Amino acid sequence: EPEVTQTPSHQVTQMGQEVILRCVPISNHLYFYWYRQILGQKVEFLVSFYNNEISEKSEIFDDQFSVERPDGSNFTLKIRSTKLEDSAMYFCASRRTIRPTDTQYFGPGTRLTVL
Amino acid sequence: DAKTTQPNSMESNEEEPVHLPCNHSTISGTDYIHWYRQLPSQGPEYVIHGLTSNVNNRMASLAIAEDRKSSTLILHRATLRDAAVYYCILRDVGGGADGLTFGKGTHLIIQP
Repeated sequence: EPEVTQTPSHQVTQMGQEVILRCVPISNHLYFYWYRQILGQKVEFLVSFYNNEISEKSEIFDDQFSVERPDGSNFTLKIRSTKLEDSAMYFCASRRTIRPTDTQYFGPGTRLTVL
Repeated sequence: DAKTTQPNSMESNEEEPVHLPCNHSTISGTDYIHWYRQLPSQGPEYVIHGLTSNVNNRMASLAIAEDRKSSTLILHRATLRDAAVYYCILRDVGGGADGLTFGKGTHLIIQP
């Protein structure tokens, strides 16, 4: 069964450094998402992406964040200057169509630790 | 997305049925009811969804109240692997590419 993959599984970085989290969505999917989950808290939506542009973004997704689909398979989340509070699990998800009955498939996540 | 209310946690025994409730009293006529779950240290995964009628799939059943103000996810025979946080999420038919709005969900504990 096809699945969403994410790399790395764990990223440790120093405050102020840039990080890029990578995702490979399911191959025939058209809609891509990033979510984050701070330890012990709920999963929070960050951004959705379709047709090479952002469809929707939350208040969390400020100018420090950016997303890109650099080629036909990868989908990346960049945090320009990491802060301690960016430490969280980051989940990528993809979805084949825009139909409300269509489900999102999540990756296993990248644990980001900012020191 | 309209708000949902779920118990913080529930406990059940292995191989017994589990009924996970969700209240959504402000649901609109165009909201689908979706359930996702998150196993420990994993990303969320889809479980089931419905609009008005009860639904069954290989993972679970979804029972939707006639007035649609509540629903119940039914695991017919819980296993230890079903221990997870279960999320009830409403998705508007016009939601487009909108992200999912997760609440705190119900933490399901399965006793052997």
